Amino acid sequence: DIQMTQSPSSLSASVGDRVTITCRASQTIDKYLSWYQQKPGKTPKVLIYAASKQSDVTSRFSGSGSGTDFTLTISSLQPEDFATYYCLQTYNTPWTFGQGTTVDIK
Amino acid sequence: QVDLQESGPGLVRPSETLSLTCTVSGGSIRNYYWTWIRQSPGKGLEWIGRIYDTGSTNYNPSLKSRVSISLDTSRNQFSLHLTSVTAADTAIYFCARVPSDGYNKYFFDSWGPGTLVIVSP
Repeated sequence: DIQMTQSPSSLSASVGDRVTITCRASQTIDKYLSWYQQKPGKTPKVLIYAASKQSDVTSRFSGSGSGTDFTLTISSLQPEDFATYYCLQTYNTPWTFGQGTTVDIK
Repeated sequence: QVDLQESGPGLVRPSETLSLTCTVSGGSIRNYYWTWIRQSPGKGLEWIGRIYDTGSTNYNPSLKSRVSISLDTSRNQFSLHLTSVTAADTAIYFCARVPSDGYNKYFFDSWGPGTLVIVSP
């Protein structure tokens, strides 16, 4: 199985901060990487797919990377962005998620 | 706009079979992978398995001996069956759609709201 390691597991930030979350795959996954946002009690929502393509979300979310190392960047954190973020690899089955990064208010 | 909705019992007895159905409305079931994911209380996301519109399946090896996914194209539904459940299978179960064109590297573009299944005597 491909292991996905996210870091940090949690972070505290302020509104307006630039936030970066990383995801590392245990082997190369090309660009088969997507990012999801999940708020408490809600369904995950796709933010980024194919490593860098934006879903129907605000442009302050961006993704980059290829191979084994990927990042999700929030350019200017907004109150509605406090949530847990997950990466997902779909290069090989079993598809595997990172363990999640919780972004909370400093 | 496609809509997915999970349905099934919210309580299952240990050693019995968990069965859930995902109904797809507002879109075709063709040319997509259909997948199940679960989330144990307070935990992360775990991929369970997927089915293509041809009926081809792939499962997570951690569950492989207990899980099966089937597709009913006439009803625009797909189903999850998980046998011999234990308390460790207590989770929110989500169904999701995956565009199969490959160009966009597969991602979960639409999700159901999720359904909580508790395994308890």
